[in-house]
Amino acid sequence: DAGITQSPRHKVTETGTPVTLRCHQTENHRYMYWYRQDPGHGLRLIHYSYGVKDTDKGEVSDGYSVSRSKTEDFLLTLESATSSQTSVYFCAISAGILGGDTQYFGPGTRLTVL
Amino acid sequence: DAKTTQPPSMDCAEGRAANLPCNHSTISGNEYVYWYRQIHSQGPQYIIHGLKNNETNEMASLIITEDRKSCTLILPHATLRDTAVYYCISPRQGAQKLVFGQGTRLTINP
Repeated sequence: DAGITQSPRHKVTETGTPVTLRCHQTENHRYMYWYRQDPGHGLRLIHYSYGVKDTDKGEVSDGYSVSRSKTEDFLLTLESATSSQTSVYFCAISAGILGGDTQYFGPGTRLTVL
Repeated sequence: DAKTTQPPSMDCAEGRAANLPCNHSTISGNEYVYWYRQIHSQGPQYIIHGLKNNETNEMASLIITEDRKSCTLILPHATLRDTAVYYCISPRQGAQKLVFGQGTRLTINP
């Protein structure tokens, strides 16, 4: 298994509070991603990073920010959590080889916003 | 990304080969086809990918038609643990982002 961990694995929080999810990799891969998964929507990309301090938005980035100060860590922050952000969040990594973009996923974080 | 079409669900008997089809008629010549699966509540798992030639690894085989408009993922001896949602994806060349559709829900029956 690819060396990807996510923390916390489960979190319950209240509307309006800030939340930070962490993704940590031991593979030294250049690319890291945050997805959310909701019933009926499949996996949707929130943000991704193509290097330290280099990030870009995905298809559902509103309400989320990210940071990557080290190769191994990619943080997802909900500045003020809302109930619509209740979801399962997956981190993924890839080496980013052109044409061979295999992504490896972490175990997920289940977030509940009350 | 090339649009992919998969059946929403399939059933297969344990021990038999599971053959999962995927249509990708708009695929470009340099776009790969990837297969992932997701077992309930776990993160997606990479299975296999290919460009033109058939591919095989320890998990599965991938058969790509000569015109590259469709492919079939084969799990040669399906087990109950292969019950999952299987995604066929064809990302645009150079794109780092994967777009997951609804996939095929494969149920392996004892």
